[in-house]
Amino acid sequence: AQTVTQSQPEMSVQEAETVTLSCTYDTSESDYYLFWYKQPPSRQMILVIRQEAYKQQNATENRFSVNFQKAAKSFSLKISDSQLGDAAMYFCAYRSRETSGSRLTFGEGTQLTVNP
Amino acid sequence: DAGITQSPRYKITETGRQVTLMCHQTWSHSYMFWYRQDLGHGLRLIYYSAAADITDKGEVPDGYVVSRSKTENFPLTLESATRSQTSVYFCASRRGSGQVDAGELFFGEGSRLTVL
Repeated sequence: AQTVTQSQPEMSVQEAETVTLSCTYDTSESDYYLFWYKQPPSRQMILVIRQEAYKQQNATENRFSVNFQKAAKSFSLKISDSQLGDAAMYFCAYRSRETSGSRLTFGEGTQLTVNP
Repeated sequence: DAGITQSPRYKITETGRQVTLMCHQTWSHSYMFWYRQDLGHGLRLIYYSAAADITDKGEVPDGYVVSRSKTENFPLTLESATRSQTSVYFCASRRGSGQVDAGELFFGEGSRLTVL
């Protein structure tokens, strides 16, 4: 079974600075998706960024980018120019593309605080 | 454009009572999921469904029952609620085979359940 580990329960960053959230995963598969979801205090789960394992290029969405290291099974999220609205719980998640009906497996989450 | 809606958003009940959390999606997505979110555990899968009348267990199914008589609805029932089932419950959906699938799940806003 796949597992996802986020080793940083809490992180903080100053407004306008850059922060990196870590995620590692364990799988024997070669074709899969990785995601970062954001959960603000409203509780809504919001997709931040998606990476397909067969793509070597790291995904980027505006101020959010990932460092995908397939061999190391590492998938970190970098937030540049942090804003107060980035404060939230961030979840890393894995989904297989090799098995039908596959579900998302989540890490435990990292609570990000943005200081003004 | 309702998307995926959950009801009730908040529920307080007593030990031993039956509780049903409702989930409705308007996208005709094939797959639907129920997760529970607890501090330190991230989101854990309770049950999922690949289509109407097809359901399967996730990581933590004990004490829960699901049904899916229609594609758009996926209710979750706690037949005899226990304090350990106090949690935030998320319903989610995604496209299936034959539908364009970019991999991610779409989440409802969550239902906070307290069992006294």
